[in-house]
Amino acid sequence: DQQVKQNSPSLSVQEGRISILNCDYTNSMFDYFLWYKKYPAEGPTFLISISSIKDKNEDGRFTVFLNKSAKHLSLHIVPSQPGDSAVYFCAAHTNAGKSTFGDGTTLTVKP
Amino acid sequence: GAVVSQHPSRVICKSGTSVKIECRSLDFQATTMFWYRQFPKKSLMLMATSNEGSKATYEQGVEKDKFLINHASLTLSTLTVTSAHPEDSSFYICSARGGSTYNEQFFGPGTRLTVL
Repeated sequence: DQQVKQNSPSLSVQEGRISILNCDYTNSMFDYFLWYKKYPAEGPTFLISISSIKDKNEDGRFTVFLNKSAKHLSLHIVPSQPGDSAVYFCAAHTNAGKSTFGDGTTLTVKP
Repeated sequence: GAVVSQHPSRVICKSGTSVKIECRSLDFQATTMFWYRQFPKKSLMLMATSNEGSKATYEQGVEKDKFLINHASLTLSTLTVTSAHPEDSSFYICSARGGSTYNEQFFGPGTRLTVL
């Protein structure tokens, strides 16, 4: 039973346009959500997070939206840049301290 | 942000040998460290959680006698793959959490293990 799902394995976007990466979860005990960015042969790096008490968090070009009733979160990147091309993982966290990761979405931003 | 290092970044070994991977938090004290394994085109699979000074908690299906984890200090955790076999070849990543960054994990750069 996969508790965190990223249904799109890949996404291709033109430079300057918006990238929208989606993530769905099933466990209502998750109370904190994070997005990580990963380049090949490197460890993931933290991008942005959101607490379950909020529905939106913005940091520069990156905005994360949380819809608790739908158990859905999304990461918006605007404007997209070629350097944003990477694998993006969403992760959900319970207060027990464990993070569960989605399978990742490979974003390609074309110049 | 906080820095986590891993050593070695790449290791090739013969089947049957043991390999040790180190994970260090360089500028903060990591109360908890995690070890992940990443399969090609797959997500990060949590192998175990280790808290400083106590035994690691292994996820279901992970052999604790094969993947030995030691978290001897607040800045160092080690993963030893014992009697490695080709199916153990993978990308191993550690992460650390501590201090005020409770919810955020800082990841190491990963170690590519190839078992011949």
